[in-house]
Amino acid sequence: AQRVTQPEKLLSVFKGAPVELKCNYSYSGSPELFWYVQYSRQRLQLLLRHISRESIKGFTADLNKGETSFHLKKPFAQEEDSAMYYCALKGSNYKLTFGKGTLLTVNP
Amino acid sequence: GAGVSQSPRYKVAKRGQDVALRCDPISGHVSLFWYQQALGQGPEFLTYFQNEAQLDKSGLPSDRFFAERPEGSVSTLKIQRTQQEDSAVYLCASSSERASTDTQYFGPGTRLTVL
Repeated sequence: AQRVTQPEKLLSVFKGAPVELKCNYSYSGSPELFWYVQYSRQRLQLLLRHISRESIKGFTADLNKGETSFHLKKPFAQEEDSAMYYCALKGSNYKLTFGKGTLLTVNP
Repeated sequence: GAGVSQSPRYKVAKRGQDVALRCDPISGHVSLFWYQQALGQGPEFLTYFQNEAQLDKSGLPSDRFFAERPEGSVSTLKIQRTQQEDSAVYLCASSSERASTDTQYFGPGTRLTVL
């Protein structure tokens, strides 16, 4: 079975502060990990995927197979980063398994 | 270009009514997915189509749920005899090629409220 855990439902930081959204997963094989973001009144959209190893909007995430984690990080949060963030896992098939999400609020 | 569209955006049904939710995927996308997102939860997989073939319906919660994609483009998710526990946002996603390799693009969702 595959499972994704996002331990924080809510995360609040000040503008310019570092931010880390935690994601842990459970999967017996080699997963593909994603971060999806949903801004207010917008649809769910892909932020980044671990196989791309790229930085999007200043966010990065590294897959740590030893700790089974894929935490999302940004060194300096901006107000426009306020959104709902979902970590998702794709196993050997096509299904995406999502965590429950973390609502990030960046205060001015 | 146009993304995935869904209609209606909001649906209120009385318990026991049948509902039909429509998804228009990105043109040419082979794979289509339906997810259910209950309040405070992440999306949960319902079913998967590759063209017109429904390859996986393991996530459908009961036999009251039925999905089709007869011509390999538009898909409809039908819920018969709706119950209060069916209240959720229903998301459709599509991807261009084999679903195991490509990014899934999501629609805006249909919010179903069953009274």
